[in-house]
Amino acid sequence: QQPVQSPQAVILREGEDAVINCSSSKALYSVHWYRQKHGEAPVFLMILLKGGEQKGHDKISASFNEKKQQSSLYLTASQLSYSGTYFCGTENYGGSQGNLIFGKGTKLSVKP
Amino acid sequence: DAGITQSPRHKVTETGTPVTLRCHQTENHRYMYWYRQDPGHGLRLIHYSYGVKDTDKGEVSDGYSVSRSKTEDFLLTLESATSSQTSVYFCAIKRGSSGRQNNEQFFGPGTRLTVL
Repeated sequence: QQPVQSPQAVILREGEDAVINCSSSKALYSVHWYRQKHGEAPVFLMILLKGGEQKGHDKISASFNEKKQQSSLYLTASQLSYSGTYFCGTENYGGSQGNLIFGKGTKLSVKP
Repeated sequence: DAGITQSPRHKVTETGTPVTLRCHQTENHRYMYWYRQDPGHGLRLIHYSYGVKDTDKGEVSDGYSVSRSKTEDFLLTLESATSSQTSVYFCAIKRGSSGRQNNEQFFGPGTRLTVL
């Protein structure tokens, strides 16, 4: 029941856009997005809740399609600081409340 | 920064020895979590706690035990470490105090454990 992320890796030039997808086989209550830089802890970016509520980062946007059990993270006009590995964490209906299952991650590299 | 510290930050130990990792938080959060992170696997939940002395198993709990005798401390113990437990261990807290509210999780700096 681990969510599947795509692509596994992406390389961008500064200013380019990227989309990272997260797909689950389970009905989802919420999707969380995190970014992790090498050697550091994951950092919370955004949470998307069933019903359309979003909370999080003001320069990164995301969508949550509840029917398709999918979420996408949109990184526009990428900056060097966007480099890192992005993880989605999903909260399933029927699972322990609040517990997240994380995808394997998408490695984003932004070049000058 | 959610006031989370982990100790030790790095540890090298030998197969068969017991190891305890500590997670300490300063903000009195009810929920605490232990994850391991391995290349190609992402973050996997080991155990979690929803209050003092209230703990439950996660996805990869075999070989691990936990204890929470105080709100601020969540301990992870490897009773007899094996090489397969070489990993980076992250502690996390959730700011919400009940079920599905405020479910964002915030992570500590991690502990890199090597079992030889």
